[in-house]
Amino acid sequence: DAGVTQSPTHLIKTRGQQVTLRCSPKSGHDTVSWYQQALGQGPQFIFQYYEEEERQRGNFPDRFSGHQFPNYSSELNVNALLLGDSALYLCASSEGLGVGYGYTFGSGTRLTVV
Amino acid sequence: DQQVKQNSPSLSVQEGRISILNCDYTNSMFDYFLWYKKYPAEGPTFLISISSIKDKNEDGRFTVFLNKSAKHLSLHIVPSQPGDSAVYFCAASGPLNTNAGKSTFGDGTTLTVKP
Repeated sequence: DAGVTQSPTHLIKTRGQQVTLRCSPKSGHDTVSWYQQALGQGPQFIFQYYEEEERQRGNFPDRFSGHQFPNYSSELNVNALLLGDSALYLCASSEGLGVGYGYTFGSGTRLTVV
Repeated sequence: DQQVKQNSPSLSVQEGRISILNCDYTNSMFDYFLWYKKYPAEGPTFLISISSIKDKNEDGRFTVFLNKSAKHLSLHIVPSQPGDSAVYFCAASGPLNTNAGKSTFGDGTTLTVKP
């Protein structure tokens, strides 16, 4: 049973560029949430997608946007990259909107902005 | 303003002993709490959770205690095993009727269990 799959695993981008990260949720899960984890900190909520719509959003600027496809997979897009966007980006899937049974996380995409 | 705090960055215990990891929160609207474990190069793995209507939840060697008046929760691991060595994150969600999907995480506690 495949868990959450994220691609790519590592990425290096130049300041000002745009990046797209991809996520396939665990089989049976229909909700995808994205988190940013800076070094030495806990994951920070970016947004959550359910039924192809953004349902909740954390305190992140509009440069961060996303999409969910009919097969429940999701993309995270970040425009006009800043050095401070360097972090581990985690995708988490769940069944429905709640966190009752916890998320299933992927291993993340390590983004480095130079 | 960090709403979920894990004040101990690290904890070291002997194999077979009890590990106690602590977490404090400030937002009284949180009504669901979770613990995750994270190994290097992997994503966090859900461990155990507790609703605010309970004060204790047990799953095998893992027990979570919630003290709502103190806005404090703790994770007890008994007995501790070397394989428990990982980073442990406390997370809080809620209120579940309007804010179910978002979890606020602490910065984690690195547990080392020595053989």
